[in-house]
Amino acid sequence: EVQLVESGGHLVQPGGSLRLSCAASGFTFSSYEMNWVRQAPGKGLEWVSYIRSSGGTIYYADSVKGRFTISRDNAKNSLYLQMNSLRAEDTAVYYCAREYCNSTSCYGGIFDYWGQGTLVTVSS
Amino acid sequence: SELTQDPTMSVALGQTVRITCQGDSLRTYYASWYQQKPGQAPVLVIYGKNNRPSGIPDRFSGSKSGNTASLTITGAQAEDEADYYCDSRDRSAKYVVFGGGTRLTVL
Repeated sequence: EVQLVESGGHLVQPGGSLRLSCAASGFTFSSYEMNWVRQAPGKGLEWVSYIRSSGGTIYYADSVKGRFTISRDNAKNSLYLQMNSLRAEDTAVYYCAREYCNSTSCYGGIFDYWGQGTLVTVSS
Repeated sequence: SELTQDPTMSVALGQTVRITCQGDSLRTYYASWYQQKPGQAPVLVIYGKNNRPSGIPDRFSGSKSGNTASLTITGAQAEDEADYYCDSRDRSAKYVVFGGGTRLTVL
């Protein structure tokens, strides 16, 4: 059974830092592209960041570029999001999401498994 | 590029509802659709031309025409009451863009 379990969400002051983790199990983690998607309280979904299976290609939303860093450790089946210079508008539930792959390709924008999310609150 | 959805929609129990998603990126890419119930993570319900993941009822279907993608629920059930989001790849600097979501009420 595919499982994604996020952790690391916390109350943090503006300007602070936080590192989120996502532990993956039930599939060959090293073969899948992974993403972070967030949802502010009462708001819609916002894509945050993408990392290729090898870690060699990375994308960020403009709203987090230069402040957040996505990474992965395929030996530990884990995805990470280092969040620096946090702002009140970064307050959200952060989900890790796996991209859909078939036997030949992986498809961006199709997130077939999601974790339950971890809440990040940025407030003084 | 942005994806636009109607914020709220309603459907009578057992009737058919079409939820739409409009945006320039849809001229190039297919939309995916996600169902999200309160306090839960999103669940993929439709992807690609019209594909349903395992376990998704066949009353859910998808289509696309021009810059508009649609999610159709044929014979809506009470358990279909949820928020529905579309997304697609994006040709601009962003990788993926989500629609603002549609809150569906089943009457």
